[in-house]
Amino acid sequence: EDQVTQSPEALRLQEGESSSLNCSYTVSGLRGLFWYRQDPGKGPEFLFTLYSAGEEKEKERLKATLTKKESFLHITAPKPEDSATYLCAVSPYNNNDMRFGAGTRLTVKP
Amino acid sequence: GAVVSQHPSRVICKSGTSVKIECRSLDFQATTMFWYRQFPKQSLMLMATSNEGSKATYEQGVEKDKFLINHASLTLSTLTVTSAHPEDSSFYICSGMVNTEAFFGQGTRLTVV
Repeated sequence: EDQVTQSPEALRLQEGESSSLNCSYTVSGLRGLFWYRQDPGKGPEFLFTLYSAGEEKEKERLKATLTKKESFLHITAPKPEDSATYLCAVSPYNNNDMRFGAGTRLTVKP
Repeated sequence: GAVVSQHPSRVICKSGTSVKIECRSLDFQATTMFWYRQFPKQSLMLMATSNEGSKATYEQGVEKDKFLINHASLTLSTLTVTSAHPEDSSFYICSGMVNTEAFFGQGTRLTVV
């Protein structure tokens, strides 16, 4: 069964304090791994798609990496506006739907 | 990125009534849309896959007679919560696919009183 586990559940950082969020997954053939940002009361906002181990993508202060078993979302010198819940999801080869992790709730204090 | 518009953003209804939620793809055609449900501080749970011109595919444990899905055109899917009860109160979100990427609507906060 496809599974996605995110850790930590919650993370509190000081502004400028870099850290990483983890997404461990098991899937019967990975079509893609996705990272989303979700603000309270809103739908998820697309950040990255990773397709194969070794792939990396960057966007502003965020960098996503992928291995065969997990993905990391690295956040460098975060700002308070980066506070949100970050969701990881996987999509298997045999269908188009996505399985989400429970998310990491990130709070960045000024 | 592609835009998915979901309406209404919030709705309060009385127990026993039905509520319809609309999901529109504004700048792409979506032969498939997905409906999710999210409880507070929990992740998105896939409810059903909506297929244009055919029946929706429901996940295990989701009552298809209670959550009616209609996908009559390539840009519109609707979810109707029938005979709503307080336990149906939740955040409902739809998404459409562009190539391999999913784009989400803003979500609908349903409160059944």
